[in-house]
Amino acid sequence: DTGVSQDPRHKITKRGQNVTFRCDPISEHNRLYWYRQTLGQGPEFLTYFQNEAQLEKSRLLSDRFSAERPKGSFSTLEIQRTEQGDSAMYLCASSPWVLAGVDEQFFGPGTRLTVL
Amino acid sequence: SQQGEEDPQALSIQEGENATMNCSYKTSINNLQWYRQNSGRGLVHLILIRSNEREKHSGRLRVTLDTSKKSSSLLITASRAADTASYFCATDAGQGGSEKLVFGKGTKLTVNP
Repeated sequence: DTGVSQDPRHKITKRGQNVTFRCDPISEHNRLYWYRQTLGQGPEFLTYFQNEAQLEKSRLLSDRFSAERPKGSFSTLEIQRTEQGDSAMYLCASSPWVLAGVDEQFFGPGTRLTVL
Repeated sequence: SQQGEEDPQALSIQEGENATMNCSYKTSINNLQWYRQNSGRGLVHLILIRSNEREKHSGRLRVTLDTSKKSSSLLITASRAADTASYFCATDAGQGGSEKLVFGKGTKLTVNP
């Protein structure tokens, strides 16, 4: 498989529960990004990794959110004590490292989270 | 906050017509990218234009960039029903800035057969 995969594709949970999403990037890509997208909006940046190092986090990423990329390959995004406002599509993307700027990103299909 | 703003928010055309979408942004950039998203799916990269480029073509797509006006346009020629999707522009943060993409709210294009 040569694309970015995400698991699960859909998640329904009750408010207050914890959820974890997984992203498997394209294998040779150093950079991995997480975005959140709500209906009618563009993706909003959450965080990104260069190999295993988490280099930037958005202010959108509250203390309830944590992301890891332990071996510089797959990544997980955990949301603790979910709230209804967390309902959104969570998108993962990967890209190769470039000297400056941001190169083309390859997106996964997303995980749609519904918090009841 | 979202740097890019697409215009129009929605566009409906007939198959075979051309579709033009515009994007404005606020700060200096290294490059600007356009992505397509079919309903409920992930985004697909269409084209990347660097800040020192003014125009770029890819198949039926033509992108222009005017850094003095901080704006870009995406033209899809001879549209097809399969082009129905949302289109987003995305910018990076320019020199010494954050290495992330900032997306606009998108233009929803409907191509009627």
